[in-house]
Formats: sequence, C-alpha cells, structure tokens
Amino acid sequence: GAVVSQHPSWVICKSGTSVKIECRSLDFQATTMFWYRQFPKQSLMLMATSNEGSKATYEQGVEKDKFLINHASLTLSTLTVTSAHPEDSSFYICSARVGINQPQHFGDGTRLSIL
Amino acid sequence: RKEVEQDPGPFNVPEGATVAFNCTYSNSASQSFFWYRQDCRKEPKLLMSVYSSGNEDGRFTAQLNRASQYISLLIRDSKLSDSATYLCVVNIKNRDDKIIFGKGTRLHILP
Repeated sequence: GAVVSQHPSWVICKSGTSVKIECRSLDFQATTMFWYRQFPKQSLMLMATSNEGSKATYEQGVEKDKFLINHASLTLSTLTVTSAHPEDSSFYICSARVGINQPQHFGDGTRLSIL
Repeated sequence: RKEVEQDPGPFNVPEGATVAFNCTYSNSASQSFFWYRQDCRKEPKLLMSVYSSGNEDGRFTAQLNRASQYISLLIRDSKLSDSATYLCVVNIKNRDDKIIFGKGTRLHILP
C-alpha cells in the first residue's frame, strides 16, 4: 500500500515553457502533500506544503508565482513551473501522507531539463 | 545548531559487517521519526518508522533516545544492495507541523 504516482518522469523543454507535474496518491487519501526539489549531489529541499482545499505554504525563497501548486482533491496535487528557465532544471519529487506523525510516501520524481 | 544532523559519511563498510548511524535533533517538540533510504537519482523510500521502544525489521534496527535527542539505525550483515544514502526525518509538532530532513549519510558496502 501507500503508493504515490508522479507524472511525467522526464521533461525536456525549451526555456519559457510552463511545465505541469502531477502527484497522485493511488491507494490512500492524502491530507497533505509536499513538493521537493533536489539538485545533483545535494539534499532534498522542501519547496512547499500543500493541504487539500487550501493554499499551499511555501518555504522561504520559493516564489509562489513561479511554482504554482494546486491540491484540488485528497488524491491529487499538481505543481506547475511557470516560464521555466535552465536554472529550474532539477529533480522534483512529491510526497504524500495520510496524517500528522505519519510517514511520507514519495513519488518517483520528475527530472526537468530546460534547454 | 542544525535541527537535524547526520554524519554525511561516506561510510565504507565491508559486506557482512554491522554498521550504525546516528542522527541528532535539536527540537524537543519532535514527535515522530523515520529513516529513509535514497538511491542515486531516485526518490527516498521509507525504511522504517522509529519508536521509543525501538523496532526491528529483519537486519535493520532503529532506536530512539528522547533524553539525548538522537535516533539510530543499525544494519546487520550488510549487503551490497544496502549501499545508499540514509536520511533521518523528524516531524516537529508545535505551532506548525514541520518536517525536517537530515542531509543524509552515504553508505558504501564493499565486496
């Protein structure tokens, strides 16, 4: 159980394109979903926390107008990287959990490459 | 002091040996604790939750010491497939629900 699906796995696109990444909890309802970014050989960096039906909480230094998060249902959250530029190229990972004090379960991640 | 600290390693350990990692946390409001493993270029995968009474899952044993504010992970009879980065995760519950990841400890099991 506790499967999180993330789509797409890979994205390669031109600078200026907006990219949408989906995160779905397949066999449980996730009250909270998280979005992370990880650069090569660096640790996970939390970008934002998303609760179903409310606005996401962004970490300091993360532009909310750049990284749009929608959490419309208990099984789906989306991250849209708007007007992506090469410096946005990274490994984006979502996670979901059932409730507070419960472990997070991660999606497979999305490798985003902006040319 | 960092909220969650781990020795980054790398730990280079011969196959079959026992290896132990510690992770210290600074916030006494920390409520739940987890160990994850992350393989290169992959997402983190939950290894085990950590309870005050300690818990064991096969070759893996996790312990929590609230008085000294650290958690530990012990791997017995290490396998080549245990090579990964091990992440300590702490959930802090005060005004906000905050989840802190350690930067991870790299483990290399040597044949």
